[in-house]
Amino acid sequence: IAGITQAPTSQILAAGRRMTLRCTQDMRHNAMYWYRQDLGLGLRLIHYSNTAGTTGKGEVPDGYSVSRANTDDFPLTLASAVPSQTSVYFCASSDYRDGELFFGEGSRLTVL
Amino acid sequence: AQSVAQPEDQVNVAEGNPLTVKCTYSVSGNPYLFWYVQYPNRGLQFLLKYITGDNLVKGSYGFEAEFNKSQTSFHLKKPSALVSDSALYLCAVRGGNTGFQKLVFGTGTRLLVSP
Repeated sequence: IAGITQAPTSQILAAGRRMTLRCTQDMRHNAMYWYRQDLGLGLRLIHYSNTAGTTGKGEVPDGYSVSRANTDDFPLTLASAVPSQTSVYFCASSDYRDGELFFGEGSRLTVL
Repeated sequence: AQSVAQPEDQVNVAEGNPLTVKCTYSVSGNPYLFWYVQYPNRGLQFLLKYITGDNLVKGSYGFEAEFNKSQTSFHLKKPSALVSDSALYLCAVRGGNTGFQKLVFGTGTRLLVSP
C-alpha cells in the first residue's frame, strides 16, 4: 500500500541522547515535512523540504535537523534530546502545489 | 500572518443528527483551505479542500464544507452523524501565493457522536 512509513512508532529516550526518526514515502512526492503535535498547540512545522537536496526551517526548528539525500527519505534528528521535545511527530508529503498533505502514522517520543 | 481558529474544543451530537465543526481563518490573498480528520493514535487523513470554484465542497465519508469569503469561514458539515465519525477534526489554511510550508493548522475540534 502506497504511503508514508515512520519509525519507530514509539520511543522512550533519556535526555541528552541522540535520536533519529525515520520517514520514507513511496509516492514520489517532491515535498516532505516534519510536524510535531502537542495538546493545545496543534500541529507545528519543524522542517520541510520542497525537493531532494533542499531543506528549510519551519515554525519550531531549534534542536532538530533534517536531510533530504533522495526523494523518498526525510529523517529527523534530535542531536541532544530534551524533555520539551516529548511529543508526537508526524511526517508528511505532498505532490503538486495545490495538493493535500499525506501523513504517516506518527512517532511518539518521550524524553525523560 | 496566516491563522486559523477553531472556536470549539469539543462538539457533541447524537447519531443521526446533523453536525457542524466551525473554522475561521485569516490569510493574505486567496485562501487554500483544508479539513483533516485524526482518529485516536493515528495520523491525519485528508477530508476535503477548497482552492477555487464552488463554495460548497464535498469530500470523503459524506462530509462537506462551505467556503464563505465574507465571513472568512470554512465550516465542516455532515447531514447525519455516525458514531464512527468521532475523532479530532483539524482545519488548515495557507495563502494562495505562499508555499505549502506556510500551511497553518488549527488546534482541532474533538467530535463526539453518541449512539
